[in-house]
Amino acid sequence: QKEVEQNSGPLSVPEGAIASLNCTYSDRGSQSFFWYRQYSGKSPELIMSIYSNGDKEDGRFTAQLNKASQYVSLLIRDSQPSDSATYLCAVNRDATNKLIFGTGTLLAVQP
Amino acid sequence: EPEVTQTPSHQVTQMGQEVILRCVPISNHLYFYWYRQILGQKVEFLVSFYNNEISEKSEIFDDQFSVERPDGSNFTLKIRSTKLEDSAMYFCASSVGVANEKLFFGSGTQLSVL
Repeated sequence: QKEVEQNSGPLSVPEGAIASLNCTYSDRGSQSFFWYRQYSGKSPELIMSIYSNGDKEDGRFTAQLNKASQYVSLLIRDSQPSDSATYLCAVNRDATNKLIFGTGTLLAVQP
Repeated sequence: EPEVTQTPSHQVTQMGQEVILRCVPISNHLYFYWYRQILGQKVEFLVSFYNNEISEKSEIFDDQFSVERPDGSNFTLKIRSTKLEDSAMYFCASSVGVANEKLFFGSGTQLSVL
């Protein structure tokens, strides 16, 4: 079983719609959860971090965490073509910065 | 915003050669990392470094790899005898602290081993 699983996509949404990205993880000891955005050929860029169950909102982005289900999601409201990128889910088991990344979901926002 | 800088942006080498990838972390950061991403695959942790020593390393980080902070600003990754499978984008990252601190990634060095 993969440590962090994501649907590779592509996930195609029209401009202005809500994009929903999902991630599951296998290690119940995971404590910290992150969403990174990666444009093609570029480095990962942190969008959101979440540490406790529930929702966390930052602008157009909402991260959701359900530790019982070992599930993390990212909602992007009012999607823009500039949001088109690969979204990486990453988890951290302990008090280090050894992040375990998923393979990412490619999001395509259609104008 | 301060940046992590990496040089070179591209490195081409012959199999068996040594390469050194260079990074300048953000100046007040204390924790440094190397990650790599093989084309089309996930980002993978290689090593973390704090207080002039390795704090954690992955299975990938074998005896062919080493890291060093030769002065107060640079952080390097050396691969002693490169293999074809070392071809990847190598990302340096740094953070102020550990335990859920934001990682700042550099723009990466694309290593191609021929």
